[in-house]
Amino acid sequence: KAGVTQTPRYLIKTRGQQVTLSCSPISGHRSVSWYQQTPGQGLQFLFEYFSETQRNKGNFPGRFSGRQFSNSRSEMNVSTLELGDSALYLCASSSLPVGEGTQYFGPGTRLTVL
Amino acid sequence: AQTVTQSQPEMSVQEAETVTLSCTYDTSESDYYLFWYKQPPSRQMILVIRQEAYKQQNATENRFSVNFQKAAKSFSLKISDSQLGDAAMYFCAYRRHQAGTALIFGKGTTLSVSS
Repeated sequence: KAGVTQTPRYLIKTRGQQVTLSCSPISGHRSVSWYQQTPGQGLQFLFEYFSETQRNKGNFPGRFSGRQFSNSRSEMNVSTLELGDSALYLCASSSLPVGEGTQYFGPGTRLTVL
Repeated sequence: AQTVTQSQPEMSVQEAETVTLSCTYDTSESDYYLFWYKQPPSRQMILVIRQEAYKQQNATENRFSVNFQKAAKSFSLKISDSQLGDAAMYFCAYRRHQAGTALIFGKGTTLSVSS
């Protein structure tokens, strides 16, 4: 099976702009989660989607949003970028049944905000 | 709130030797999962091993094994016969046994392997 894919791999934006990151889960996986990784804060949970519904959300401002499509692909959007949004954004997918618990990660998107 | 603590920011080991990475966690839940993930310089997060809290038996995957002490809330990773390719950042993570819940990560341990 192909793994989790994320596009683009690298992105450079300026403050105030917005950005959209994409994630395609492993075939058959219906749950997609997003994490932000920074040297200072480590790995922090952004949100989780299942069947196009957001089931869980981390403690991030409303500038961070996401969605999931019927084919389970997910996008996350960050509006009005700030310097502190520079990070590695990781997407992870997992399969049912409920509670299986293992998430498999993509290679990440490195976002740099100038 | 659940927390995961990795008290060793850096560890080093020689090739073919054994190293143990420590992890403790705090939770009031009785049913959960614990994981070790490896993140090499490529930044791809790779699952190393997983443990279900209800299982008494320690998980093993080839050269990787864990020592799961539920009462002590301890979950250490032992790497045997270390190889150069084991050099990476290792993250311990916790997840409640409920759909939609997030992984909670420790701060990570950087493992270096010397020949």
